[in-house]
Amino acid sequence: EAGVVQSPRYKIIEKKQPVAFWCNPISGHNTLYWYLQNLGQGPELLIRYENEEAVDDSQLPKDRFSAERLKGVDSTLKIQPAELGDSAVYLCASSFPGDPLGEQFFGPGTRLTVL
Amino acid sequence: AQSVTQLGSHVSVSEGALVLLRCNYSSSVPPYLFWYVQYPNQGLQLLLKYTSAATLVKGINGFEAEFKKSETSFHLTKPSAHMSDAAEYFCAVSESGNQFYFGTGTSLTVIP
Repeated sequence: EAGVVQSPRYKIIEKKQPVAFWCNPISGHNTLYWYLQNLGQGPELLIRYENEEAVDDSQLPKDRFSAERLKGVDSTLKIQPAELGDSAVYLCASSFPGDPLGEQFFGPGTRLTVL
Repeated sequence: AQSVTQLGSHVSVSEGALVLLRCNYSSSVPPYLFWYVQYPNQGLQLLLKYTSAATLVKGINGFEAEFKKSETSFHLTKPSAHMSDAAEYFCAVSESGNQFYFGTGTSLTVIP
């Protein structure tokens, strides 16, 4: 079974440029999460989707961040414009809706460097 | 509100020695508790999870953790460290199974 796929794995951009990250969850996992992981820190939730609906986006900085999951499968997270402080690893995770524990399966992440 | 505290951002042990990584949680209801491991440039991988079925939980790679309600702790242990155990370890708490709260992580170094 394929795991959570993320691309690109690494991205280097200059500040004020836009950037987008893509995530394809495990097949059948209707719940999808985007996390931000700063260096030396644990993951922090940005947004959670149930199918195509964003059910928790309270931690998403909506002035510059946006996300979509139009068909309820893969998802894109966008930053426009990027700032120096956005340099971090962006993790995508998915979980099976029938699992009451909500065990999350993580992708390898996208490491963003903003210069 | 839920939160997790991991004492010790860096832990070093000799190969073959006991590994002990500490995690204390705060939760208003009986929580679900998890330990994840993250190897360099990889995503998080589940080591073990506490589901209230048993207080001593066994996970992969020889790790186990004990849920102690009175101490609000869920420390991770392994009797004998291996070089391949060197990684970042994260404790996480969830009340509903939807929202996970992660600790700041503990970096484990194994000395040959």
